Amino acid sequence: EAGVTQSPTHLIKTRGQQVTLRCSPISGHTSVYWYQQALGLGLQFLLWYDEGEERNRGNFPPRFSGRQFPNYSSELNVNALELEDSALYLCASSLGENTEAFFGQGTRLTVV
Amino acid sequence: QKEVEQDPGPLSVPEGAIVSLNCTYSNSAFQYFMWYRQYSRKGPELLMYTYSSGNKEDGRFTAQVDKSSKYISLFIRDSQPSDSATYLCATYGQNFVFGPGTRLSVLP
Repeated sequence: EAGVTQSPTHLIKTRGQQVTLRCSPISGHTSVYWYQQALGLGLQFLLWYDEGEERNRGNFPPRFSGRQFPNYSSELNVNALELEDSALYLCASSLGENTEAFFGQGTRLTVV
Repeated sequence: QKEVEQDPGPLSVPEGAIVSLNCTYSNSAFQYFMWYRQYSRKGPELLMYTYSSGNKEDGRFTAQVDKSSKYISLFIRDSQPSDSATYLCATYGQNFVFGPGTRLSVLP
């Protein structure tokens, strides 16, 4: 069974540009979570989608947004990139609330 | 007070040692607890998932939950150099809440 897949694996963008990151959950999982992990720091919660709707949002500015598609895959969009957005962006999926989450390998974003 | 606290380490042990990793949490409503292992520049890998107080064993790994003191532990027996990684404890509130991680080095 395929795990959580994320694309692309690496990305280099220029400050001010926009980026879209993609995540495909484990088959049957309806919840998708997005986290940011800056170098040497912990996981910071970004967004939670379930059944196509945004359920919760972390303490990030509105230029971080996303959506979940009918097939439960998800996109994370970041507008007006800043240098401090450089991080590993992790997607996780789960069957729903109070069930364990499984992570993808992440997308490493570098903003120059 | 942070929802989940964890000693960031680093923790260095010789190969074969028993490792004890610990977390405390603040909200008594938390019921589900997880331990993840994260190798450098990789996504976290789920090691253990527990619900109730007590012990859960899987191979060399034992997860322990004490809800009365809001304390969770992960024990690694016969530690190996391949266990060198950052270990993250997590629980579930309105979403998953992670500790900052403990960096473990197992020296050959």
